Amino acid sequence: DAGITQSPRHKVTETGTPVTLRCHQTENHRYMYWYRQDPGHGLRLIHYSYGVKDTDKGEVSDGYSVSRSKTEDFLLTLESATSSQTSVYFCAISDNLGAQETQYFGPGTRLLVL
Amino acid sequence: QKEVEQNSGPLSVPEGAIASLNCTYSDRVSQSFFWYRQYSGKSPELIMSIYSNGDKEDGRFTAQLNKASQYVSLLIRDSQPSDSATYLCAVNRGNYGGSQGNLIFGKGTKLSVKP
Repeated sequence: DAGITQSPRHKVTETGTPVTLRCHQTENHRYMYWYRQDPGHGLRLIHYSYGVKDTDKGEVSDGYSVSRSKTEDFLLTLESATSSQTSVYFCAISDNLGAQETQYFGPGTRLLVL
Repeated sequence: QKEVEQNSGPLSVPEGAIASLNCTYSDRVSQSFFWYRQYSGKSPELIMSIYSNGDKEDGRFTAQLNKASQYVSLLIRDSQPSDSATYLCAVNRGNYGGSQGNLIFGKGTKLSVKP
């Protein structure tokens, strides 16, 4: 998994509770991404980061926030989890943003919101 | 709406046959194309990238790109049961640094290789 870890790997939580997912990389790549994957929708970008403290919204950012205080860590926070946020969350990294950007994925976090 | 389209499958082929996976995309400015393999319950794994028209071969895998037809395909020769997975096509939208990120993924084609 290209030096990428995600924690926790599985989580069950209740509606309305805050949840933070962590992505940690050892590759020193500049760009980091959070995706969610749902049946019938494929991979959808939530937020991404192009450097420490530099983040931007993706396609499905509502209800999510992110932070990146160090190159190696990218946190995804669900401020108040809803059942619609039950999903598999993948972190990805890349080392360039040009035409040949290649993204590598972490192992994923399965989140169930009851 | 920039889109990447794939047949969802399942595509079933016998062991030893050639599996052909197809992908079309809508954005003509796209420059880079990727195939990821995803086993059930696992994360996507990059298997091929292609940037120029024509064929690119890597072992049993061949990626084919036709930018005029906005079409990219993946051929798997001598298919094995271990190739059974979902194959995701991803396209670089060419909007470097834009607000929506760079890669658009298709929903994937599920391949089943029967012994």
